[in-house]
Amino acid sequence: QLQLQESGPGLVKPSETLSLTCTVSGASISGSSYCWDWIRQPPGKGLEWIGSVCYSGSTYYNPSLKTRVTISVDTSKKQFSLNLSSVTAADTAVYFCARRGEVFDYWGQGTLVTVSS
Amino acid sequence: EIVMTQSPATLSVSPGERATLSCRASQSVSTNLAWYQQKPGQAPRLLIYGASTRATGIPARFSGSGSGTEFTLTISSLQSEDFAVYYCHQYNNWRTFGQGTKVEIK
Repeated sequence: QLQLQESGPGLVKPSETLSLTCTVSGASISGSSYCWDWIRQPPGKGLEWIGSVCYSGSTYYNPSLKTRVTISVDTSKKQFSLNLSSVTAADTAVYFCARRGEVFDYWGQGTLVTVSS
Repeated sequence: EIVMTQSPATLSVSPGERATLSCRASQSVSTNLAWYQQKPGQAPRLLIYGASTRATGIPARFSGSGSGTEFTLTISSLQSEDFAVYYCHQYNNWRTFGQGTKVEIK
């Protein structure tokens, strides 16, 4: 059974870089026709797609976040990572990692990241 | 960016009744539309993709319809475990979500 688990700091200071890792178990992260995505949800609000890294190595980012986002993959560790730079309070959210074929079929449980000094 | 608008924001329904949720896209997304269910403190769960195809393990009481800009999720007979927030999601052009419809107990 495929499982995804987010990890990283729960508190980040304004203007710093938010860094999260998603560890995949129960399936290969490479050599498959899937993409591996990050999605976030501010407290009490809806979902926002952040971006993805695909099996081809290509990355895709939400245009509204593109200048601040980097997503990378480490296939040897079965992990993919999110870096979001120059964070503000508006970046406070639960961050989910997910697997995507056409749609998001497997999700991590999510991790709350608060941006505060 | 394609904007997804869901209505109503909150739907009050009695157990056993039918619930009909709507989702409208600001431009055509063909049938590249999915629905997710989210309960408090949990990740979203895929219900429907391709506008009308149930995901693996999803009960038949969930059904989706529509194409282009107008979509509907119907829950034919609400069970206690169905009270949650439902999101539509278009994947025709980048990826955007609706703001959600909360289905609550009447």
